[in-house]
Amino acid sequence: KAGVTQTPRYLIKTRGQQVTLSCSPISGHRSVSWYQQTPGQGLQFLFEYFSETQRNKGNFPGRFSGRQFSNSRSEMNVSTLELGDSALYLCASSWVQGALGANVLTFGAGSRLTVL
Amino acid sequence: DAKTTQPPSMDCAEGRAANLPCNHSTISGNEYVYWYRQIHSQGPQYIIHGLKNNETNEMASLIITEDRKSSTLILPHATLRDTAVYYCIEGRGNEKLTFGTGTRLTIIP
Repeated sequence: KAGVTQTPRYLIKTRGQQVTLSCSPISGHRSVSWYQQTPGQGLQFLFEYFSETQRNKGNFPGRFSGRQFSNSRSEMNVSTLELGDSALYLCASSWVQGALGANVLTFGAGSRLTVL
Repeated sequence: DAKTTQPPSMDCAEGRAANLPCNHSTISGNEYVYWYRQIHSQGPQYIIHGLKNNETNEMASLIITEDRKSSTLILPHATLRDTAVYYCIEGRGNEKLTFGTGTRLTIIP
């Protein structure tokens, strides 16, 4: 079956602009998580959406936002871009087996954002 | 913040077993241990997970201590393609999964 698809794979923006990244999860997966990866901070959790609702949130400013659609596809948006937002943005989907079940993430290849 | 502790780097000779340790001393009874790896600039790849019992799949084995405070990921016959950063994570179904800095495993020819 198809994996997690992220678009675009690469993009370049300038400071002050905004960007929208898209993630199509594996069919049947209702949870989508977003991570930011930078050389200095490693993999940082941004947020997680489940059934169109944000269920978990990391420690990022309000410039970072996301949403999930009824088909489980998700988008994240970063407004007023800063140089420090340059990173690999990773999306992961999972089929969570309830609150006490395992939560196995399948990651996409990522969207590499460069802010100039 | 990550709740697991891993050595920052390890080397292993090609063809030998690679044993990667992880401490998760604050793990609760219903939290799983997950292992992922990330090859340079790619998305992390799921390897294996477990709750209490040891687990084995086609990629690796996971040994969890009886008190569940630590675990070891075993790659039985390491190849050069196993060179990657390996992450050990704990968590349960509806909680966010937080990655630490992982162990950079280098397989030496």
